[in-house]
Amino acid sequence: AQSVTQLGSHVSVSEGALVLLRCNYSSSVPPYLFWYVQYPNQGLQLLLKYTSAATLVKGINGFEAEFKKSETSFHLTKPSAHMSDAAEYFCAVRLFPGNTGNQFYFGTGTSLTVIP
Amino acid sequence: GAVVSQHPSRVICKSGTSVKIECRSLDFQATTMFWYRQFPKKSLMLMATSNEGSKATYEQGVEKDKFLINHASLTLSTLTVTSAHPEDSSFYICSARSPNRGQSYEQYFGPGTRLTVT
Repeated sequence: AQSVTQLGSHVSVSEGALVLLRCNYSSSVPPYLFWYVQYPNQGLQLLLKYTSAATLVKGINGFEAEFKKSETSFHLTKPSAHMSDAAEYFCAVRLFPGNTGNQFYFGTGTSLTVIP
Repeated sequence: GAVVSQHPSRVICKSGTSVKIECRSLDFQATTMFWYRQFPKKSLMLMATSNEGSKATYEQGVEKDKFLINHASLTLSTLTVTSAHPEDSSFYICSARSPNRGQSYEQYFGPGTRLTVT
């Protein structure tokens, strides 16, 4: 069963425009949710995380995400895109309960292109 | 802090040979390490979970005899791709966690290793 769904494998925005990357999860209980960014041929860098505290989470590089239980969503936003934001973005979930191995399950990723 | 390194960053090997990839936690002791595989334009697929001093737990569909994982110390895990074939070409990423570093669920990712089998 798919735990994380990222809608839109490719998103293009103009420089300065709003960035919206979508992530929906499936879980019977609120999970821990993460957004990671990956630049070409590099590993993953944590942008932000939701761990059952504040539903609006602020991360690095001006990104933020809001956990909406009613919509089972955790969309990533940034008010104004910068050229350096062009990268691959992954939503990930750590499921509870019963996840004794701390495994993360990743979405299929969204490639963000920023148009000058 | 919480730095994870991988070596090598890129490796090219011939079909039939074996190649070893190292994952090291540089400033913390990693009781658990994870190995992921990433296909081009695809997400990360968890291959296995290794706990220091015990056998790795492989995900369904991952050949444990082909992808040998050793987690012999609290700072080092190795992935050996045996009898490599071109279809093993991929980007391999490790991550590490420690109950004494950050939150218990935190994973710290390495920079990845690009394997090309010719």
